[in-house]
Amino acid sequence: AQSVSQHNHHVILSEAASLELGCNYSYGGTVNLFWYVQYPGQHLQLLLKYFSGDPLVKGIKGFEAEFIKSKFSFNLRKPSVQWSDTAEYFCAVKQNTGGFKTIFGAGTRLFVKA
Amino acid sequence: GAGVSQSPSNKVTEKGKDVELRCDPISGHTALYWYRQSLGQGLEFLIYFQGNSAPDKSGLPSDRFSAERTGGSVSTLTIQRTQQEDSAVYLCASSPGRGASPLHFGNGTRLTVT
Repeated sequence: AQSVSQHNHHVILSEAASLELGCNYSYGGTVNLFWYVQYPGQHLQLLLKYFSGDPLVKGIKGFEAEFIKSKFSFNLRKPSVQWSDTAEYFCAVKQNTGGFKTIFGAGTRLFVKA
Repeated sequence: GAGVSQSPSNKVTEKGKDVELRCDPISGHTALYWYRQSLGQGLEFLIYFQGNSAPDKSGLPSDRFSAERTGGSVSTLTIQRTQQEDSAVYLCASSPGRGASPLHFGNGTRLTVT
């Protein structure tokens, strides 16, 4: 069955530290990959997405993610985090054939200390 | 409307009662999804609609859960004979359909079963 694994459930960083959140998925077919963010008290919103082409994609607020097909990974990175990045981050995989179901990982809670 | 609208925003019910949760997707979005978000569990896929049909309802936890969508628009998630373990935030999302289109989420319905 298709699944998405996020390696870190809780991450605490100081401002200006670098961030990398791991995401691996299990699905052999063609996929679209997403990172969503949920800021405290707000609804989930798209951070960035990959569907084809350059495996390094850039999103809002300085975030980027790299798709490594051979590793079934789509890790999220940011060179220097800010206090306002405190949020929960979800990796998601959408099948590009068949049911077009989108499956989410368990999420990573990031807390950035000012 | 401008975004995905869910109602009610909060629902407290007694164990054994039935509840109905409503989702109004973004106008023109053909795909509609229901997820359940529990603390530490991430987003659990429940059901997916394309138009009025549900190609994938594999995530519904039991036969107490059902959902329908009428007119390719509004969807209702019904939980019969609610149990305490049904307590969670129920999220609805819509998207234009196939391909790399991301999901647009509502603010969710927080269900508490006492």
